Amino acid sequence: GQNIDQPTEMTATEGAIVQINCTYQTSGFNGLFWYQQHAGEAPTFLSYNVLDGLEEKGRFSSFLSRSKGYSYLLLKELQMKDSASYLCAVRDSNYQLIWGAGTKLIIKP
Amino acid sequence: DVKVTQSSRYLVKRTGEKVFLECVQDMDHENMFWYRQDPGLGLRLIYFSYDVKMKEKGDIPEGYSVSREKKERFSLILESASTNQTSMYLCASSPWDSENTEAFFGQGTRLTVV
Repeated sequence: GQNIDQPTEMTATEGAIVQINCTYQTSGFNGLFWYQQHAGEAPTFLSYNVLDGLEEKGRFSSFLSRSKGYSYLLLKELQMKDSASYLCAVRDSNYQLIWGAGTKLIIKP
Repeated sequence: DVKVTQSSRYLVKRTGEKVFLECVQDMDHENMFWYRQDPGLGLRLIYFSYDVKMKEKGDIPEGYSVSREKKERFSLILESASTNQTSMYLCASSPWDSENTEAFFGQGTRLTVV
C-alpha cells in the first residue's frame, strides 16, 4: 500500500529552527509537495520537489532524497505565525496526490 | 487573487438528509477535487473531475456522488447523510498541465451530521 509518515506534533521556540520530516512509500513518484494549514483554514502551498536536493524559499527550505523516500521541511527564524499544521503529499505514478496526516507545529515564545 | 470558494463554512444536517456542498473556482482550472479531512488521517480523495461532466472515483467514494455541469463548479452530494460523514470537506482545483503546479484549496466546510 501507499504510505506517508510524518510526526504528529512538534514544538519549537520562536526564533529557532525546526525540521519536519516526511518519509514515503508510494507506487511511483512524480513530485513531493509541502503545504501549510492554519487551524480552520485551507491548506496553502509552500514548496515542490521533484529532483533530489534542497529548494530554498525565504525562511522555508525543502529537501528531497528519492532513493531514501525522504523529505524534510526546514523552517528558520521561527515566528509565532508559523504555528500550523504542515502537510506532506506525494504525487504517485497515476499523478494522484497521496497525503500524510500532517505535523502540528507549536511555537512557544 | 486566485480563489476557490466553498458555499458554507459550517453545516449541521440530520441523518438521512440529502446534502449538497458547492465549490466554485475562478482560475479556469480543468481539475477539481473533493477531499475529506479527519483528525489523525491525511486528506482522503472522494472524487475528482478532469473536465465538465467528467468524474472519477477517489479512494473513498462510497456514500457520495458529484456533479460538474460547468467548468468552474464542482458539487459534492451526500445522498443520505450519516454520522460517519461528519468531517471537514475540502475542495481543490489545479490546472490540467499540473506537472509542477500546486492545487489550490477552498476554505473548507465543516459538516456535522446529527
